[in-house]
Amino acid sequence: AQKITQTQPGMFVQEKEAVTLDCTYDTSDPSYGLFWYKQPSSGEMIFLIYQGSYDQQNATEGRYSLNFQKARKSANLVISASQLGDSAMYFCAMSPMDSNYQLIWGAGTKLIIKP
Amino acid sequence: GAVVSQHPSRVICKSGTSVKIECRSLDFQATTMFWYRQFPKQSLMLMATSNEGSKATYEQGVEKDKFLINHASLTLSTLTVTSAHPEDSSFYICSATPGTSGGTIYNEQFFGPGTRLTVL
Repeated sequence: AQKITQTQPGMFVQEKEAVTLDCTYDTSDPSYGLFWYKQPSSGEMIFLIYQGSYDQQNATEGRYSLNFQKARKSANLVISASQLGDSAMYFCAMSPMDSNYQLIWGAGTKLIIKP
Repeated sequence: GAVVSQHPSRVICKSGTSVKIECRSLDFQATTMFWYRQFPKQSLMLMATSNEGSKATYEQGVEKDKFLINHASLTLSTLTVTSAHPEDSSFYICSATPGTSGGTIYNEQFFGPGTRLTVL
């Protein structure tokens, strides 16, 4: 079965500290993509970062980086120098190659940045 | 980047009425659109996948007669909640993908801002 697991329902982090949000996945497909989205209280889904299963290097986008460990089937999101505006729900998602573009979603992690 | 609009952003209606939500891809042609439902503090739940010009594929447990989806063009999909009841109150989000023809990341979906439906 294809599945995304986010084991942290909520996290509190001090402003300016780095934070790691965990994501593990399960799939038997050799080709897949992994996504992280941010959802603030307004509800919009904001794309953060993407990692392809065959990408050799970990993806980075500004303060966001994805710690991709293929053998362990993990795709943790690292946010460096956290800011108050980072407070939001964060969802990890996976799209197997032959899924008709569907995304499989994790349960999400609610991140709260403390001043 | 690709932009998806959704209208209305918020709607309050009486029980028994029907509500139509529009999802538009503004600067790309969407071969596939998705409709999600999200309850408070929960993840997105896929309701249906729609491809332009064909019938939508509904997920198990989603009533196709209740949630009518029309994907009339490559830039517009609509979700109609028929005879809405309080239990249909939720946050509905659409997403669209250009497919492999125009996307820079395969399987990337672009999301609308969502519609908050409240049925009284």
